Amino acid sequence: AQSVTQLDSQVPVFEEAPVELRCNYSSSVSVYLFWYVQYPNQGLQLLLKYLSGSTLVKGINGFEAEFNKSQTSFHLRKPSVHISDTAEYFCAVSDLSGGFKTIFGAGTRLFVKA
Amino acid sequence: EAGVAQSPRYKIIEKRQSVAFWCNPISGHATLYWYQQILGQGPKLLIQFQNNGVVDDSQLPKDRFSAERLKGVDSTLKIQPAKLEDSAVYLCASSLDHSPSGNTIYFGEGSWLTVV
Repeated sequence: AQSVTQLDSQVPVFEEAPVELRCNYSSSVSVYLFWYVQYPNQGLQLLLKYLSGSTLVKGINGFEAEFNKSQTSFHLRKPSVHISDTAEYFCAVSDLSGGFKTIFGAGTRLFVKA
Repeated sequence: EAGVAQSPRYKIIEKRQSVAFWCNPISGHATLYWYQQILGQGPKLLIQFQNNGVVDDSQLPKDRFSAERLKGVDSTLKIQPAKLEDSAVYLCASSLDHSPSGNTIYFGEGSWLTVV
């Protein structure tokens, strides 16, 4: 069965600084990988996804993530964060076995300070 | 395109009472999910429907939770009787399923349940 580990529960960072949110997964088969963002009192929305092909994936709001198969990682990065990026970020893995079951990590709270 | 609709947005009930949540997925989406998100945790899948059939309900506490998706469109999730630990946000989501673009899930805004 697949699993997802987000290594940091909280990441404080100053505005305009770069940020990396870490995600590791485990699965016995090929996977799709996702990052979702959840703003306060809202549902989750998709930031980006890796399906196949190029290991560097670009998403909305200037975020990107790199799939590293050997390290089973899918870390999320942004070169310069804004106050408005303050939110909860969830990494998720969808197993290509029957049912495309999607498992979410526990989340990383990004807090951008002025 | 209309998103995933959920109601009610907020509900407060006493323990041992019952509650029901309703979800209308994005039109044309065959797969519907109910997730439970406890404060400070990631969403946990309760049940997944493909059209009106259940694909996965392995983490649904079946002694108190039930869900149905009549006619393969909208769905209801019921809790009876509720316990304090059921306090959470219940997220409904939908996806096209098995589409070439991958299994992207679209979420509703959630139904916030507080059990007192």
